[in-house]
Amino acid sequence: DTAVSQTPKYLVTQMGNDKSIKCEQNLGHDTMYWYKQDSKKFLKIMFSYNNKELIINETVPNRFSPKSPDKAHLNLHINSLELGDSAVYFCASSPSRDIYEQYFGPGTRLTVT
Amino acid sequence: DQQVKQNSPSLSVQEGRISILNCDYTNSMFDYFLWYKKYPAEGPTFLISISSIKDKNEDGRFTVFLNKSAKHLSLHIVPSQPGDSAVYFCAASGGGGSNYKLTFGKGTLLTVNP
Repeated sequence: DTAVSQTPKYLVTQMGNDKSIKCEQNLGHDTMYWYKQDSKKFLKIMFSYNNKELIINETVPNRFSPKSPDKAHLNLHINSLELGDSAVYFCASSPSRDIYEQYFGPGTRLTVT
Repeated sequence: DQQVKQNSPSLSVQEGRISILNCDYTNSMFDYFLWYKKYPAEGPTFLISISSIKDKNEDGRFTVFLNKSAKHLSLHIVPSQPGDSAVYFCAASGGGGSNYKLTFGKGTLLTVNP
């Protein structure tokens, strides 16, 4: 039973398109995150939601919009995709906002051509 | 602005020997540190953590040491096993306004040779 799942695992799309990545956790955690791992391999936080409330919103282009319909789901929508958006996007969750041990999904490799 | 640095991109050790992975940080507000392990095509997996009120935490073959004055932590794996071959990320939290944020290093690829 997958704890944190992401769909799709791979996403290839053209510049200018709009795409979404979905994340679901079945751990009963309150807090969820989106990370981006770029070509330099840094894992950088993008957003975090705690019980559907946005608590972390890093300096990310406003083409990226997270949505949390409930505390088990956190989706990432990206408008007008650019070449530089190509990366691996990881979703993660933790029991609460002040517990730092996070459980990661398998990642979504986004390639923008 | 790299607040968490892992200066060794790779490390190779023999099976049965000790692996030592190092991490340095610059933000003195960090008060909680974690190590994650990542296999190819998978997400990072939490390995071990340490609070700044401690200088050592041990879990089986894994021990993390924290030297606050040097702003340095290390992960020791003894004995190393081929299954430990992975990328290891150091992460830190507590750095000022965004207390809930983890800041990651770039990772060190550990290869354990049989």
